[in-house]
Amino acid sequence: DSGVTQTPKHLITATGQRVTLRCSPRSGDLSVYWYQQSLDQGLQFLIQYYNGEERAKGNILERFSAQQFPDLHSELNLSSLELGDSALYFCASSVQQGAGGYTFGSGTRLTVV
Amino acid sequence: EDQVTQSPEALRLQEGESSSLNCSYTVSGLRGLFWYRQDPGKGPEFLFTLYSAGEEKEKERLKATLTKKESFLHITAPKPEDSATYLCAVQARSGAGSYQLTFGKGTKLSVIP
Repeated sequence: DSGVTQTPKHLITATGQRVTLRCSPRSGDLSVYWYQQSLDQGLQFLIQYYNGEERAKGNILERFSAQQFPDLHSELNLSSLELGDSALYFCASSVQQGAGGYTFGSGTRLTVV
Repeated sequence: EDQVTQSPEALRLQEGESSSLNCSYTVSGLRGLFWYRQDPGKGPEFLFTLYSAGEEKEKERLKATLTKKESFLHITAPKPEDSATYLCAVQARSGAGSYQLTFGKGTKLSVIP
């Protein structure tokens, strides 16, 4: 157990729907990162939050959004889902704003049918 | 734009057959280079961080080295339990005082008994 908790582990939904993925960072970590992993693209950085504030954006679609709450847990919202959004979504956390290594959760496998 | 290229994409070794994985990178202002191990359907697991050219780190049968343009992950006398995908990532400043990890696509290692 890495200390980073992601729920749900698996999610199957239809095209056009909206889902929310949840992440609780490791105790004491202030930064949360979201990554998407698909078979052909590898791990792609989506967005980073530090202590409740957005700090960096990667290749995140406009249909996707995220937030970090006062208790430091984070949610990734995916809307108007398409078949191509099927992937593993990972959350990672770190103590500072990315200095040093990240600790990853076990991921949420999203399948859009 | 930061780029990380890993080779080979896949590697099959006999148990006990030593080899090396390569990670070449192009980054502006490298802060650190990271190696992770990822088992199927699981989150990446941190192995090493290297910060400067010439640095080496070891853990059991794994040894990571860093030059100005590439990093190598040497696997000595591998065992079947070393089978996994090995990911390389570079960390650089992404603005607003934050840092971002950019991953390569990984090398899938299979160790045959």
